[in-house]
Amino acid sequence: SQQGEEDPQALSIQEGENATMNCSYKTSINNLQWYRQNSGRGLVHLILIRSNEREKHSGRLRVTLDTSKKSSSLLITASRAADTASYFCATDAITGGYNKLIFGAGTRLAVHP
Amino acid sequence: DAGVIQSPRHEVTEMGQEVTLRCKPISGHNSLFWYRQTMMRGLELLIYFNNNVPIDDSGMPEDRFSAKMPNASFSTLKIQPSEPRDSAVYFCASSLGQAAYEQYFGPGTRLTVT
Repeated sequence: SQQGEEDPQALSIQEGENATMNCSYKTSINNLQWYRQNSGRGLVHLILIRSNEREKHSGRLRVTLDTSKKSSSLLITASRAADTASYFCATDAITGGYNKLIFGAGTRLAVHP
Repeated sequence: DAGVIQSPRHEVTEMGQEVTLRCKPISGHNSLFWYRQTMMRGLELLIYFNNNVPIDDSGMPEDRFSAKMPNASFSTLKIQPSEPRDSAVYFCASSLGQAAYEQYFGPGTRLTVT
């Protein structure tokens, strides 16, 4: 099974509402990252939170990390139609002798005008 | 900065043909990754280079796939012979540092094998 798994798989909201996506992982991590992928595009890095951090902000994005529960959440406040995309969490895991980034399956967010 | 550049953006080919995908990483980045994305399997790491040396190719599906990085500014992913199940979007990504650092993705190559 995957190191990082997002929940929900899909989320549909109205413009102006907040969107919350969750990520759970299995093994200890050094950092956790969130990426966004617009349809037909490559992934774009949004934010990185280290294992010794509990919360991080970037504009309308708020990320929390709970290492005791092995989970993270991404909150997008005051969502806009342009936020429509898939969001992926990525965690580092030591495999094959090096620290590797493993992506989850993603949450598809649809923001309706 | 131009970001990670991939070519071609779209490739349609017939089963059995050779396919070569190209990638130019961001200048100064010393790690390069090839990923494959499908609806069924999500985003899979195929191969990881650090300082032009392949570090992990355990994700390469089979011998039909090969990747090279002859210098710091260029990499290729080759499929020979191609099969319909190779149809996917292939992404190249680069990072400044090791594999678990922030990665910068290219726009991808959408490959269709008929």
